Amino acid sequence: AAGVIQSPRHLIKEKRETATLKCYPIPRHDTVYWYQQGPGQDPQFLISFYEKMQSDKGSIPDRFSAQQFSDYHSELNMSSLELGDSALYFCASSYLDEQFFGPGTRLTVL
Amino acid sequence: GESVGLHLPTLSVQEGDNSIINCAYSNSASDYFIWYKQESGKGPQFIIDIRSNMDKRQGQRVTVLLNKTVKHLSLQIAATQPGDSAVYFCAENMAGGSYIPTFGRGTSLIVHP
Repeated sequence: AAGVIQSPRHLIKEKRETATLKCYPIPRHDTVYWYQQGPGQDPQFLISFYEKMQSDKGSIPDRFSAQQFSDYHSELNMSSLELGDSALYFCASSYLDEQFFGPGTRLTVL
Repeated sequence: GESVGLHLPTLSVQEGDNSIINCAYSNSASDYFIWYKQESGKGPQFIIDIRSNMDKRQGQRVTVLLNKTVKHLSLQIAATQPGDSAVYFCAENMAGGSYIPTFGRGTSLIVHP
């Protein structure tokens, strides 16, 4: 069965650089979520989109933005990267309730 | 979600034992609860869910118990196997809101062969 696809799987950036993470939801899923997970921490909800419109906003910094495109894939844009942005970034998609998580992108900011 | 810092609670069990992982949730208005399993380097994976109108739900080798009075969830895993080794998270979702589960504190389960 198709799963959520995230790219890249690993990303290394310098402080103050920008990064773009991509998420391709499971076909026919209409909702995409982004989560940030620091080392040893629980996933923190950042933002979600339903039918290409932002639906909910969590603890997403102003330096980050996201959008969902007409093909339902989503991108998380991160600017002015800080050391504290180093984390796993998960995308999840859903149709109705159950969320299916992608494998994550590990971002390391040096 | 609650910040847990760098050190997760850990439960070590022997293969074949039953495991019980506990979780305290924070919002009395939550009406939907989920348990996730997260293996190293992977995203969280749905295990089982329960709605607030139930106090017990069983799946394959797993049982979730909900005590709304004390805002407590537990996940019971029967005949634990080495493949069950992972971090387990409970998550809660508030009634009437969007479906945005809030993750609780993870517990690291280590199963020894």
